[in-house]
Amino acid sequence: AIQLTQSPSSLSASIGDRVTITCRASQGITSALAWYQQKPGKAPKLLIYDTSSLESGVPSRFSGSGSGTDFTLTISSLQPEDFATYYCQQFTTYPAFGGGTKVEMK
Amino acid sequence: EVQLVESGGGLVQPGGSLRLSCAASGLSISSNYMRWVRQAPGKGLEWVSVIYRDGATYYADSVRGRFTISRDNSKNTVNLEMNSLRGDDTAVYYCARDRGGGGKIFDIWGQGTMVTVSS
Repeated sequence: AIQLTQSPSSLSASIGDRVTITCRASQGITSALAWYQQKPGKAPKLLIYDTSSLESGVPSRFSGSGSGTDFTLTISSLQPEDFATYYCQQFTTYPAFGGGTKVEMK
Repeated sequence: EVQLVESGGGLVQPGGSLRLSCAASGLSISSNYMRWVRQAPGKGLEWVSVIYRDGATYYADSVRGRFTISRDNSKNTVNLEMNSLRGDDTAVYYCARDRGGGGKIFDIWGQGTMVTVSS
């Protein structure tokens, strides 16, 4: 089964910073990747699907890119409500999630 | 408003059973692909099970043979029957709509229900 490894596992950033999170697959992915945001005590929220498509209602400061084994989620200008944990997700024989990246305030 | 509401979680002893339910409003369970995803305390997300529109069901290796997913179209609910529970089943269980059925877009989530397996 394909493993998804996110890096970093955590990061500290300030309001207004550009933040990039990487998701690396253990082998090439032919189908698309999704990204979710999760805040403490809450359910995950879909941000990006099909690698780069922005889910309806999600601010445009979020963007996704990548292909093959390397994918990224970028927050162009970090806002206070963006401090959360982010997960990538992909489907091969079953849905699999990355280990998560916690974005904390510097 | 589209909403999923899970219920049925609680404390259960190892080897015990529990039945979770996910009630949908604003969408038809039978017309959608519905999945259960769990999250152990302080850990990441793990897919558990899915029921397709045609009724086909699939499970993660970790729960196959112990968990059963089903749906009640009259009540518009999807259920997860959990048997032979173990400590590593302790988690928040979420139901989620799989948009398109490809296992790639989980766009609607419930708030989750906590299952604790402990003596």
